[in-house]
Amino acid sequence: GAGVSQSPSNKVTEKGKDVELRCDPISGHTALYWYRQSLGQGLEFLIYFQGNSAPDKSGLPSDRFSAERTGGSVSTLTIQRTQQEDSAVYLCASSIGGELYGYTFGSGTRLTVV
Amino acid sequence: DAKTTQPNSMESNEEEPVHLPCNHSTISGTDYIHWYRQLPSQGPEYVIHGLTSNVNNRMASLAIAEDRKSSTLILHRATLRDAAVYYCILTSPNTGNQFYFGTGTSLTVIP
Repeated sequence: GAGVSQSPSNKVTEKGKDVELRCDPISGHTALYWYRQSLGQGLEFLIYFQGNSAPDKSGLPSDRFSAERTGGSVSTLTIQRTQQEDSAVYLCASSIGGELYGYTFGSGTRLTVV
Repeated sequence: DAKTTQPNSMESNEEEPVHLPCNHSTISGTDYIHWYRQLPSQGPEYVIHGLTSNVNNRMASLAIAEDRKSSTLILHRATLRDAAVYYCILTSPNTGNQFYFGTGTSLTVIP
């Protein structure tokens, strides 16, 4: 596709349930990033994938959060045993890679934990 | 991560130029300066980036101070569609070129 696609666009889940959020990056983009944005806040870095290198997971807030990127393309962010504080917009971005190139963001997944 | 400082909010009249400042006094020689903006209910959108020289594109201009400790994003004629939160971000190859977003400047455009 022409842009970064995220699904679902909205997700409401009960506290304690697991959720999976999907990101389809732009074809050929080797770098993929996950951020989250709580209401009225800036973006918080979660995880970064670059090619076949080990991902940088330094931003994941707890071990309930994990992410994988299959075949260097699609990425899934999984949140286990969701808590109300996990409610946020989860944004995915992809890039050709390197500081010379910017990110293209998806429209995000709005997660609400009730 | 190198930090940036921006005003929380600014206002501009429609069709007038807007100068959005950013301070980054701890910038290192290899850090690039990026600007993104986020319209309501959308993901951030790339605006412009530069290293040392001033940059122009169809969206905006980026003026970088000679010592690189500050920069200014210039919107030449503000429109209502430019109302957004503008983020000034430094990226470094030393940190995997991750973008650390601050709280940005919320720009209000007055008709």
